[in-house]
Amino acid sequence: DGGITQSPKYLFRKEGQNVTLSCEQNLNHDAMYWYRQDPGQGLRLIYYSQIVNDFQKGDIAEGYSVSREKKESFPLTVTSAQKNPTAFYLCASSNDRDNSPLHFGNGTRLTVT
Amino acid sequence: GNSVTQMEGPVTLSEEAFLTINCTYTATGYPSLFWYVQYPGEGLQLLLKATKADDKGSNKGFEATYRKETTSFHLEKGSVQVSDSAVYFCALPRISYGGSQGNLIFGKGTKLSVKP
Repeated sequence: DGGITQSPKYLFRKEGQNVTLSCEQNLNHDAMYWYRQDPGQGLRLIYYSQIVNDFQKGDIAEGYSVSREKKESFPLTVTSAQKNPTAFYLCASSNDRDNSPLHFGNGTRLTVT
Repeated sequence: GNSVTQMEGPVTLSEEAFLTINCTYTATGYPSLFWYVQYPGEGLQLLLKATKADDKGSNKGFEATYRKETTSFHLEKGSVQVSDSAVYFCALPRISYGGSQGNLIFGKGTKLSVKP
């Protein structure tokens, strides 16, 4: 079955450490996205990539970094510069060529203490 | 850019009650409109969409009509079930034309709890 895989589902880190969240898709979608979800705030866009080797900042990119070396993969690194990293992180993908809706992974819950 | 305002919850209903979750938007032109649903511990799933004004999207007993006169896309269901308990998000593209149609902006979400 085609879909988006995010791993791990739960991640725990100490403050001051960088951590990388994995996102892999086998939908052959060109565009991929990272959203952050906090209680009562809905979803906020961190970064997105419409094509391999290119990505753009979203609304809350500070303290995060991404790479898009392969079409299938869009890892997100939460750096120690991110002031409030504890959150639920959602990866998504879409294919603009056929106007497909946004498909989401099941998320990674990151807790930093 | 476009924007969306969604009724905030939480909403608690008894089984078989009627559901309405309000969503209004501000947009250039008439972009597609979406409702997504998130079950506990999971990502979001597309529930329904409408691609042009006056369209009605429907799925699993849920409906929403794209009303340009009132710039609204309210979600309705005639008889909710316990299994409908989830968080519901209204969404539209960040830019109506020329941008990625997958680059969506979301309402803050409405948590629905249905009691047996």
